[in-house]
Amino acid sequence: AQSVTQPDIHITVSEGASLELRCNYSYGATPYLFWYVQSPGQGLQLLLKYFSGDTLVQGIKGFEAEFKRSQSSFNLRKPSVHWSDAAEYFCAVAEVGTYKYIFGTGTRLKVLA
Amino acid sequence: DTAVSQTPKYLVTQMGNDKSIKCEQNLGHDTMYWYKQDSKKFLKIMFSYNNKELIINETVPNRFSPKSPDKAHLNLHINSLELGDSAVYFCASSPQPGYEQFFGPGTRLTVL
Repeated sequence: AQSVTQPDIHITVSEGASLELRCNYSYGATPYLFWYVQSPGQGLQLLLKYFSGDTLVQGIKGFEAEFKRSQSSFNLRKPSVHWSDAAEYFCAVAEVGTYKYIFGTGTRLKVLA
Repeated sequence: DTAVSQTPKYLVTQMGNDKSIKCEQNLGHDTMYWYKQDSKKFLKIMFSYNNKELIINETVPNRFSPKSPDKAHLNLHINSLELGDSAVYFCASSPQPGYEQFFGPGTRLTVL
């Protein structure tokens, strides 16, 4: 069965430090890949997406993600974290050609001043 | 202009009652979804409609019934509410199934 794993439930970083959030998926073929962010009391907002082509994708708010087929991973990165980045981050996977859409369990990011 | 809107934002009700949550999107999307987010932030898809047709119907109690009067609206009706139904319910839309999703602000349902 398809699955999405976000191994880190919580991550704490200092403001200005770099960030990497991990996402691994289990799928038969290359899926569509997404990262979303959820601020407290809000709905989810799309950060970036990968459908095909260049495996390094740029998103909003200075985030980027790299698709690595060999590792079935789609890790999210940011070179310098801001206090406003504190939120819950979700990786999601959609099976190409079907309607299946699966979210990971989320990673809560805390930013220290 | 709000892209995906939900009403109400908060809903507090007694066990056994019936309630509805409404969702509207003005993005012109073909696909809409209902999700349940529990206290641990786990997001579970409940239903999805594409062009007013039900395409995803996950294992949820049949007390939950979606209704899509047109492509821009997807409502969720819940009968005989139970304590375990307390959660935040999110509506979302996407241009097509499997594409990026745009979420509403959520409806926090509390069953007493």
